[in-house]
Amino acid sequence: GAVVSQHPSWVICKSGTSVKIECRSLDFQATTMFWYRQFPKQSLMLMATSNEGSKATYEQGVEKDKFLINHASLTLSTLTVTSAHPEDSSFYICSARRQGLAYNEQFFGPGTRLTVL
Amino acid sequence: AQKVTQAQTEISVVEKEDVTLDCVYETRDTTYYLFWYKQPPSGELVFLIRRNSFDEQNEISGRYSWNFQKSTSSFNFTITASQVVDSAVYFCALMTTDSWGKLQFGAGTQVVVTP
Repeated sequence: GAVVSQHPSWVICKSGTSVKIECRSLDFQATTMFWYRQFPKQSLMLMATSNEGSKATYEQGVEKDKFLINHASLTLSTLTVTSAHPEDSSFYICSARRQGLAYNEQFFGPGTRLTVL
Repeated sequence: AQKVTQAQTEISVVEKEDVTLDCVYETRDTTYYLFWYKQPPSGELVFLIRRNSFDEQNEISGRYSWNFQKSTSSFNFTITASQVVDSAVYFCALMTTDSWGKLQFGAGTQVVVTP
């Protein structure tokens, strides 16, 4: 099967610090990765689409300078929350699109729970 | 524009009862995919099913079954003889060709199964 990992699984940080979250496809290459954010008792909202070797595409309303995305290889994308504030506390989930599949199946990571104090 | 509506916020049942989760979608695309995911308290999304727009056959997998009706733009999900382990949030999602790869999620339905 296709496995996607995220690291860390949870993180607590102080307001004003930056936090990096990694998303890795462990057994397949992913030209595209997606980053979602989920607030408590809410649905998943797509934040951005990350393509290997190019700039990420952000959804409307998502601050690209605050949520830095880097997709430097076919197996790794990182999301950096810069100058985090309590309102950034959320569950961040990545997914990776498996290269070569006709309908672009996505495989989800286990998520990273960010708490900003 | 595409949209997924899960009107039921929470459904509570007693173990062994059947529970049906509604999902209504909107899209102008003729080619699209519909999904159901389960999110247990741990948070990790569990893929349940994918159905493409050209395949209206209903599907059964163990205690799970899905009813796809293009005429009403619905893709409903039934859990038969529910168990406590079925307690989770269930999301319906839509992927269309004009937003290839992007998933539009519904609001989710919390299912609570009590012994």
